[in-house]
Amino acid sequence: RKEVEQDPGPFNVPEGATVAFNCTYSNSASQSFFWYRQDCRKEPKLLMSVYSSGNEDGRFTAQLNRASQYISLLIRDSKLSDSATYLCVVIGDRGSTLGRLYFGRGTQLTVWP
Amino acid sequence: ETGVTQTPRHLVMGMTNKKSLKCEQHLGHNAMYWYKQSAKKPLELMFVYNFKEQTENNSVPSRFSPECPNSSHLFLHLHTLQPEDSALYLCASSQDRTLQETQYFGPGTRLLVL
Repeated sequence: RKEVEQDPGPFNVPEGATVAFNCTYSNSASQSFFWYRQDCRKEPKLLMSVYSSGNEDGRFTAQLNRASQYISLLIRDSKLSDSATYLCVVIGDRGSTLGRLYFGRGTQLTVWP
Repeated sequence: ETGVTQTPRHLVMGMTNKKSLKCEQHLGHNAMYWYKQSAKKPLELMFVYNFKEQTENNSVPSRFSPECPNSSHLFLHLHTLQPEDSALYLCASSQDRTLQETQYFGPGTRLLVL
């Protein structure tokens, strides 16, 4: 079973739409979760951390559901510039996985005018 | 942005060639990483260096050989690669091993093995 699983999409939405991505992780004891963004043919960049209480950064809201072992990212009022691949990242917490980042395959988003 | 740089940006090599990828970070970080990104696959961690010491080798074939002469530079030496090694190779750095969630990635080297 993969450590981190994401729906690869693609998600194609019009400007102004609200879109949500989910990600599931296999290690129930994982403690740290993040969303990275990767633009086409560019490197990944940290978008935001994900906390149990949920956190918001402008139009972006991240949520963590420990019971169901999934993480979500909500983007409101989508902009053309939001078009990218969104990578779910989990940090392993024990043994050989301690401190290691596990990346999902990424979910591709295209926002059209 | 010039925090983490990688050269070359593109590389085409034959299976018998020897080449090296270079990564340099200007952020004062102590941990550096090599990742492989293949199409339709998640990023795969290859090597981790913390304070110039290799702390992780994620079962990478010996045809990939990393070198970290100092905290700012990281190399990946390539020798007798296979076509399936064609991928985007990303270098990243973080303050140290314990803060690796805030990794800064370089632009990558897109490698094609013929």
